[in-house]
Amino acid sequence: AQTVTQSQPEMSVQEAETVTLSCTYDTSESDYYLFWYKQPPSRQMILVIRQEAYKQQNATENRFSVNFQKAAKSFSLKISDSQLGDAAMYFCAYRRDTGTASKLTFGTGTRLQVTL
Amino acid sequence: EAGVAQSPRYKIIEKRQSVAFWCNPISGHATLYWYQQILGQGPKLLIQFQNNGVVDDSQLPKDRFSAERLKGVDSTLKIQPAKLEDSAVYLCASSPGGGVNIQYFGAGTRLSVL
Repeated sequence: AQTVTQSQPEMSVQEAETVTLSCTYDTSESDYYLFWYKQPPSRQMILVIRQEAYKQQNATENRFSVNFQKAAKSFSLKISDSQLGDAAMYFCAYRRDTGTASKLTFGTGTRLQVTL
Repeated sequence: EAGVAQSPRYKIIEKRQSVAFWCNPISGHATLYWYQQILGQGPKLLIQFQNNGVVDDSQLPKDRFSAERLKGVDSTLKIQPAKLEDSAVYLCASSPGGGVNIQYFGAGTRLSVL
């Protein structure tokens, strides 16, 4: 079974600084998707960024970028120019589609604090 | 475009009682998911529907949990009877299918079983 590991329960960053959240995963598949979701206190999971495993280029969305290392099974999230609104739980997730089955497997999350 | 709607937002019940949660997915999304998120953990899939058919319910505790998606739109998740360990946030998500097939989540229902 696929597993996703987030080894940093909590991280803290000062406003305007850069922070990197770590994620590793275990799979024997070569074709899959990886995601970072943000969950603020409102509880709604919001997609931050996604990466298709067949793409070598790292995904970027404005201040958010990933470092995808397929051989190492590593998928870290870098947040640049951190803002107070970035404070939330961040979950790394893996998805391998088999037919129409497309469940997300989540890590345990990293709580990000942003300080002034 | 309206997002995934869930109700109620909060529910408190005593053990052995029954409870139901409702989800209305994004219009046109064929696939609907129910996840259970226990405090301190990531969400775990309970059941996935494709239109009104079940695709994956391998992690649904079928002795007490049931779910249906009548007419392939709204869905209801029921627990009967509830146990203390069912205290969690129940998240509903929907996706359009095809391609990257992003899952969009609702705000969830927080269930407390006393």
